[in-house]
Amino acid sequence: GAGVSQTPSNKVTEKGKYVELRCDPISGHTALYWYRQSLGQGPEFLIYFQGTGAADDSGLPNDRFFAVRPEGSVSTLKIQRTERGDSAVYLCASSRTRDSYNEQFFGPGTRLTVL
Amino acid sequence: DQQVKQNSPSLSVQEGRISILNCDYTNSMFDYFLWYKKYPAEGPTFLISISSIKDKNEDGRFTVFLNKSAKHLSLHIVPSQPGDSAVYFCAARGGGADGLTFGKGTHLIIQP
Repeated sequence: GAGVSQTPSNKVTEKGKYVELRCDPISGHTALYWYRQSLGQGPEFLIYFQGTGAADDSGLPNDRFFAVRPEGSVSTLKIQRTERGDSAVYLCASSRTRDSYNEQFFGPGTRLTVL
Repeated sequence: DQQVKQNSPSLSVQEGRISILNCDYTNSMFDYFLWYKKYPAEGPTFLISISSIKDKNEDGRFTVFLNKSAKHLSLHIVPSQPGDSAVYFCAARGGGADGLTFGKGTHLIIQP
């Protein structure tokens, strides 16, 4: 079956612009996670959705970052007034349930470059 | 502060020998540990995991050891194969967050 997909694969934008990154989780997975991976670092947790609600957004760095999952499937990560420091690979992962520790499937990521 | 630390950025091992990747953590509330493997331009893929109530888990060529008193875990790959060349991330679950906490990764290079 299809894995987690993310679009676009690459996004180049200018400082101050608004961007949206999309994640299509595996069908039937109720838990969805966003991570950010900067150069030379491991993935860093941003936000976790259980169904439609953001159950844990403690990893979002500031209020320029926002994510939604209105129908409990596709999720969009939104970044306002982008800054050069936002440049990173944004990874999405999904799992069947929150407790499926070893079943967190990752997408290929969106590489965001802010000029 | 890094709660999960992988102190070796890279490791080179000859094909057929044992690869040992190390990971240290500081948060005693972590209750589950995982290893992920990552190839360039792909997302991390799950490799093996261990609960904090165990000290060893084995799956084929891969074995993870956990030493809770030392807050240390290691991944053993034997025998190492060329396809094992990748970046390996140690990750932990718990400690108050719903997401995983990752180390910086170790780039494993298997030499023929």
